[in-house]
Amino acid sequence: AQKVTQAQTEISVVEKEDVTLDCVYETRDTTYYLFWYKQPPSGELVFLIRRNSFDEQNEISGRYSWNFQKSTSSFNFTITASQVVDSAVYFCALSEVGGANSKLTFGKGITLSVRP
Amino acid sequence: KAGVTQTPRYLIKTRGQQVTLSCSPISGHRSVSWYQQTPGQGLQFLFEYFSETQRNKGNFPGRFSGRQFSNSRSEMNVSTLELGDSALYLCASSQVNTGELFFGEGSRLTVL
Repeated sequence: AQKVTQAQTEISVVEKEDVTLDCVYETRDTTYYLFWYKQPPSGELVFLIRRNSFDEQNEISGRYSWNFQKSTSSFNFTITASQVVDSAVYFCALSEVGGANSKLTFGKGITLSVRP
Repeated sequence: KAGVTQTPRYLIKTRGQQVTLSCSPISGHRSVSWYQQTPGQGLQFLFEYFSETQRNKGNFPGRFSGRQFSNSRSEMNVSTLELGDSALYLCASSQVNTGELFFGEGSRLTVL
């Protein structure tokens, strides 16, 4: 069975601080997808990134960066120079590669509050 | 390009009633999946439809059902509502086998 653990439940930082959101996963699949989604107060889940299990390159997109380490089954997300607009709930998720890849297993989410 | 549209956004029902929620996917997306979000259980997969056929199903009782129409629009139905069915129900659409889901804003169901 697949499992995603986001041990941090709430994080509060002051604007411009860097913050890292942790994600640890478990799966028996050899190939899988990992995701990060952001959920603002409006409710919809906003896609941030998808990473395939055989692509361990880290990725940077503006202020966002992701560190994927297969050896430790972790897929951590760092926001550099945080802004108030980054305040939201962030979910890490895992899915199979192939026919069932709309079936995501989500972590419990991390509530990030960025104070001005 | 219009996003995923869910209706209604909010609704209140009483125990024992049934409810139908609607989801219009992004144009061109043929896969629609549904998720339930509660404070206790978090986000849980309900089911996925593709070409009017249910492809995957989560671990929910038979009171939860869904369907997909030829235009890819989907509905989910919950019969004999229980208090524990109070949740945000999220619909997501995707192109086939991309693994990238686009979510709607959800339908918030309150069962009294």
